[in-house]
Amino acid sequence: TQLLEQSPQFLSIQEGENLTVYCNSSSVFSSLQWYRQEPGEGPVLLVTVVTGGEVKKLKRLTFQFGDARKDSSLHITAAQPGDTGLYLCAGGHNKLIFGTGTRLQVFP
Amino acid sequence: NAGVMQNPRHLVRRRGQEARLRCSPMKGHSHVYWYRQLPEEGLKFMVYLQKENIIDESGMPKERFSAEFPKEGPSILRIQQVVRGDSAAYFCASSPPSRPTDTQYFGPGTRLTVL
Repeated sequence: TQLLEQSPQFLSIQEGENLTVYCNSSSVFSSLQWYRQEPGEGPVLLVTVVTGGEVKKLKRLTFQFGDARKDSSLHITAAQPGDTGLYLCAGGHNKLIFGTGTRLQVFP
Repeated sequence: NAGVMQNPRHLVRRRGQEARLRCSPMKGHSHVYWYRQLPEEGLKFMVYLQKENIIDESGMPKERFSAEFPKEGPSILRIQQVVRGDSAAYFCASSPPSRPTDTQYFGPGTRLTVL
């Protein structure tokens, strides 16, 4: 059974701080996606990483896919209150397996 | 350029009634997926459909739940004889034919409450 563990589970930081969220598995994934979900809404796709070692940047967000394609990280530089939300990694073939989630709160 | 549409956004049913949840995929997308998010739990896959075909229903409960994606019209997730444990947020996602297994785009969800 493929599982995706995310850490930390909760993160509360001040505006301007940097943070990293991790997504780990013992299984190999052909690709991993990162989503952000706000209360009462559906997950919004941020990025898909496909190649081992790949790094993708989306403004202040940097996503990395591990060389062995078993793990991924999301780094946010100079966090802002608008970054607050639930961050989810997901992977799988035909059906997505979602990670346990990281709930981020950024205080002004 | 409309995204994935789901309706209704909120649905209240009494125990024993039927719930019908609708999903219109993004334009040009022919693959539809349904997920369920129980309170304080993560998103769990239920079913994967293409037009007129169920591809993978390994996450669907064996009884009372069914899904379809007809040639014309939206995909429907149907729950018969609802029970309190069916209360959850149900999300639909779609993907384009060229990348069926990753890059899924999600709708806003239908929040089902069973009284």
